[in-house]
Amino acid sequence: TQLLEQSPQFLSIQEGENLTVYCNSSSVFSSLQWYRQEPGEGPVLLVTVVTGGEVKKLKRLTFQFGDARKDSSLHITAAQPGDTGLYLCAGPFSGGYNKLIFGAGTRLAVHP
Amino acid sequence: NAGVMQNPRHLVRRRGQEARLRCSPMKGHSHVYWYRQLPEEGLKFMVYLQKENIIDESGMPKERFSAEFPKEGPSILRIQQVVRGDSAAYFCASSPQGPHTEAFFGQGTRLTVV
Repeated sequence: TQLLEQSPQFLSIQEGENLTVYCNSSSVFSSLQWYRQEPGEGPVLLVTVVTGGEVKKLKRLTFQFGDARKDSSLHITAAQPGDTGLYLCAGPFSGGYNKLIFGAGTRLAVHP
Repeated sequence: NAGVMQNPRHLVRRRGQEARLRCSPMKGHSHVYWYRQLPEEGLKFMVYLQKENIIDESGMPKERFSAEFPKEGPSILRIQQVVRGDSAAYFCASSPQGPHTEAFFGQGTRLTVV
């Protein structure tokens, strides 16, 4: 069974701080995606990482895919209140790519 | 995200009633996926459909739940004889073609069973 475990589950920080959240699995994924979900809304795709060791940057967000393609991290530099939300990682199910497997998410709160 | 339209946004049903959730995919997308999200949890896959075909319903309960994606019109997720445990946010996603490696989600329907 493919599982994605995210840590920490909750994170509360002050504006301007840096943070890293993690997405880990014992299974290899062909790719991983990161989504941000705000209360009452659907998840919004932030990035897809495909190649082992790949690093992608989206303004103050840096995403990394592990060399073995079993884990990923999201690093936010100088967090802002607008970064507040639920961060979800997801990967395609290896048995046919008909569905995405989601982690339970990291709920981030950035306080002014 | 704005391209996938779901309605209603909120739905309240009494136990035993039927719930109908609608999803219009992004223009040009012929693949639709339904996911369910319980509070403080990630999304769980329910069903994957293409026009007029159910491709994978491995995540959908075998009783009371059904889904369709007709040739014309939106995809429908139907829950018959709802129970309190059906209360959740139901999200629809669409993609232009398989394999399903990325998803564009709608805003969801929040079902509350009272």
